Amino acid sequence: NAGVTQTPKFQVLKTGQSMTLQCAQDMNHNSMYWYRQDPGMGLRLIYYSASEGTTDKGEVPNGYNVSRLNKREFSLRLESAAPSQTSVYFCASTDQGLNSPLHFGNGTRLTVT
Amino acid sequence: KNEVEQSPQNLTAQEGEFITINCSYSVGISALHWLQQHPGGGIVSLFMLSSGKKKHGRLIATINIQEKHSSLHITASHPRDSAVYICAVSSNTGNQFYFGTGTSLTVIP
Repeated sequence: NAGVTQTPKFQVLKTGQSMTLQCAQDMNHNSMYWYRQDPGMGLRLIYYSASEGTTDKGEVPNGYNVSRLNKREFSLRLESAAPSQTSVYFCASTDQGLNSPLHFGNGTRLTVT
Repeated sequence: KNEVEQSPQNLTAQEGEFITINCSYSVGISALHWLQQHPGGGIVSLFMLSSGKKKHGRLIATINIQEKHSSLHITASHPRDSAVYICAVSSNTGNQFYFGTGTSLTVIP
């Protein structure tokens, strides 16, 4: 029972490069989220998908795009990476939106030079 | 603006001590969550509660809705409890979770 699987674990990019962070959950959850975690700050929401076929911006969406490919998969794309996007990224899912426990992936540590 | 505040930011305890971590919030909520983040980075959900008290092993979480306050208690602390503990709330007016900045706990043998 894998839960939420996130890849890659580590990535180093040069400014201007692009990449996609992959996230998949095997719990049949409806809602999926992408967060970034920076030192001294709480987790901040980048984008979320309340259900298959829908996506919405969170608190810090600039520079990112997302795709809810199907109910299992929710990817995050950086089209042109910037040093300000150096962070740890977490994918999470819940069964029924806000009123369910959060399940997190193991995180992706991204460095943009 | 910080919708969720935690205290203390850092906490060092001797093995066996009783530990309390506090969380205050300023928004209307439908639930409050306590999360644990180990040094390896993974985050796991410990509790979700909307009233009263929940217990799991040596961990106890309480919430006072009127005072907008929650506490996480660890009894008989152990070095393996060393982690960052994060308080989060489910907003009842928006469509998001709000997270505290975490309390870093170190338990010394």
